[in-house]
Amino acid sequence: GEDVEQSLFLSVREGDSSVINCTYTDSSSTYLYWYKQEPGAGLQLLTYIFSNMDMKQDQRLTVLLNKKDKHLSLRIADTQTGDSAIYFCAEGGKLIFGQGTELSVKP
Amino acid sequence: GAGVSQSPSNKVTEKGKDVELRCDPISGHTALYWYRQSLGQGLEFLIYFQGNSAPDKSGLPSDRFSAERTGGSVSTLTIQRTQQEDSAVYLCASSTIWGARGTEAFFGQGTRLTVV
Repeated sequence: GEDVEQSLFLSVREGDSSVINCTYTDSSSTYLYWYKQEPGAGLQLLTYIFSNMDMKQDQRLTVLLNKKDKHLSLRIADTQTGDSAIYFCAEGGKLIFGQGTELSVKP
Repeated sequence: GAGVSQSPSNKVTEKGKDVELRCDPISGHTALYWYRQSLGQGLEFLIYFQGNSAPDKSGLPSDRFSAERTGGSVSTLTIQRTQQEDSAVYLCASSTIWGARGTEAFFGQGTRLTVV
């Protein structure tokens, strides 16, 4: 079955880059997603990548996709304290989510 | 409405009772998803409805859990004979299928279920 794995925690200093990694199992996934969950708020779509792409850039966000290794990453440039949240990757039409990576940004 | 609406926002129930959780998706969205988020845990997929197709129930943890979607719109998740381990936030999401950007799912605020 489908499975998505993420590391649980990441701590960075303000201004540094953050890289959140994710591995998935369903090679037929057409789209892969990154969602953000802030404290007390619902999940919101951050960005997504179509499976025939290797990279997508959206302002401070860069998504890298390695289909061979089924590895997805999210890079946040110039990380700010407001980026502190839980980040989830998700795959497929029925949206299987990973456990989420809690990003802590220290001033 | 403007977004996905879930009710109630909080529910406290006694062990052994049945509960019903409601989700009103965004109008026109054909896909509807239910997830469970336990304290400090990720999102556990429960069930997925897509249009008139048979739902994908592969994530339901036991036969005490069931869900239906009436008229392709409102969905109800029912938990029978609740147990303490059912305590969690239950999240609903809806999406269009194969929109211009793929399936972007919009989430409700969730129902926090506490079984005492």
